Amino acid sequence: ETGVTQSPTHLIKTRGQQVTLRCSSQSGHNTVSWYQQALGQGPQFIFQYYREEENGRGNFPPRFSGLQFPNYSSELNVNALELDDSALYLCASSLQAAELFFGEGSRLTVL
Amino acid sequence: KQEVTQIPAALSVPEGENLVLNCSFTDSAIYNLQWFRQDPGKGLTSLLLIQSSQREQTSGRLNASLDKSSGRSTLYIAASQPGDSATYLCAVIPYSGGSNYKLTFGKGTLLTVNP
Repeated sequence: ETGVTQSPTHLIKTRGQQVTLRCSSQSGHNTVSWYQQALGQGPQFIFQYYREEENGRGNFPPRFSGLQFPNYSSELNVNALELDDSALYLCASSLQAAELFFGEGSRLTVL
Repeated sequence: KQEVTQIPAALSVPEGENLVLNCSFTDSAIYNLQWFRQDPGKGLTSLLLIQSSQREQTSGRLNASLDKSSGRSTLYIAASQPGDSATYLCAVIPYSGGSNYKLTFGKGTLLTVNP
């Protein structure tokens, strides 16, 4: 167990809807990153938060947004869902550039 | 742009065999390299972290090496067991000089260890 918890574990949405995924980081970690993993692919970096500020973003459109809270937990929000957003969404926490620890992920299916 | 390649894409071995998984990356300016294990439908479990100044790391039956100049890393698994069956992912953190510690992943190697 890494101490990184994500919710919900599975969810189904329809095109055009909005979704919020949540992540509780490991105690003492101040950096949270979000990744999208499509079936059969490696995870792709969405963005990273450090001390409540976004400090890096991958090649994802603005409808992917996030927040980090004072307790370093985080949310990933996706608006106007598309079929291609179906994926496993992974949250990772770390103490800056040290070893990253991942949660079990949230499996999103968009119909 | 950093690209990470893992070879082979899939590997099937009999129990007890020693094996090597390969990872290559295009930009040698990396901060860290991390190996992960992923079971089907699950999250990633960190196996080994190698910092850019290190050449190898060991944990139990696992040994990971890093050759930055050639852009390569290997994960050696000794005396493989059926419980080692999983997808193994290699990821690098580029040295950006800033605070953005983004991992770039390969697609993984699917390992099957047959009893």
